[in-house]
Amino acid sequence: GAGVSQSPRYKVAKRGQDVALRCDPISGHVSLFWYQQALGQGPEFLTYFQNEAQLDKSGLPSDRFFAERPEGSVSTLKIQRTQQEDSAVYLCASSSQGGVGFEQYFGPGTRLTVT
Amino acid sequence: AQSVTQPDIHITVSEGASLELRCNYSYGATPYLFWYVQSPGQGLQLLLKYFSGDTLVQGIKGFEAEFKRSQSSFNLRKPSVHWSDAAEYFCAVGTNTGNQFYFGTGTSLTVIP
Repeated sequence: GAGVSQSPRYKVAKRGQDVALRCDPISGHVSLFWYQQALGQGPEFLTYFQNEAQLDKSGLPSDRFFAERPEGSVSTLKIQRTQQEDSAVYLCASSSQGGVGFEQYFGPGTRLTVT
Repeated sequence: AQSVTQPDIHITVSEGASLELRCNYSYGATPYLFWYVQSPGQGLQLLLKYFSGDTLVQGIKGFEAEFKRSQSSFNLRKPSVHWSDAAEYFCAVGTNTGNQFYFGTGTSLTVIP
């Protein structure tokens, strides 16, 4: 595709449910980032992949959050036992080279609401 | 730790007026600096970036930004605002020592006719 796509666009989960959010980066892009954007806030870094390697996961807020990119393309962010404070927009971005020195192309995000 | 501050939560300007959005960062070395724009329901779009060299950088849609090391600032400017510029603007900083990318809390721009 022409850009980064994310699915689903909207997700409502009951507290305690597990959710999986998908990101399809731009084809051939090496780097992939996940961010969490709470209402009225800027995006906050969650984790970074270079190809299939997760090089930084320091931003993941708890061990309920898990991300993977097994073949170096599509990535999934999984949240186990969702809590109300997990309600946010989850953004995925990809870039053509490694590190943060290159333009990141963002997807439209997945809005997660935990009830 | 690195941080980004956008002191203005909301700015209102008249169409055709000039615009300056403020951004201050905290980082010990020369950072990579970015401005992104986010329209409702849209993804973040890069306006411009600074890595090194000329401290005045030009971006898309007529925007420019100036890196001032002495003030730890990277303010975004536009000489004449258009109604279509109404959006949320985010300043961001990346570092050459890690893979993290830090965003400010954003400035919401309203343009009045």
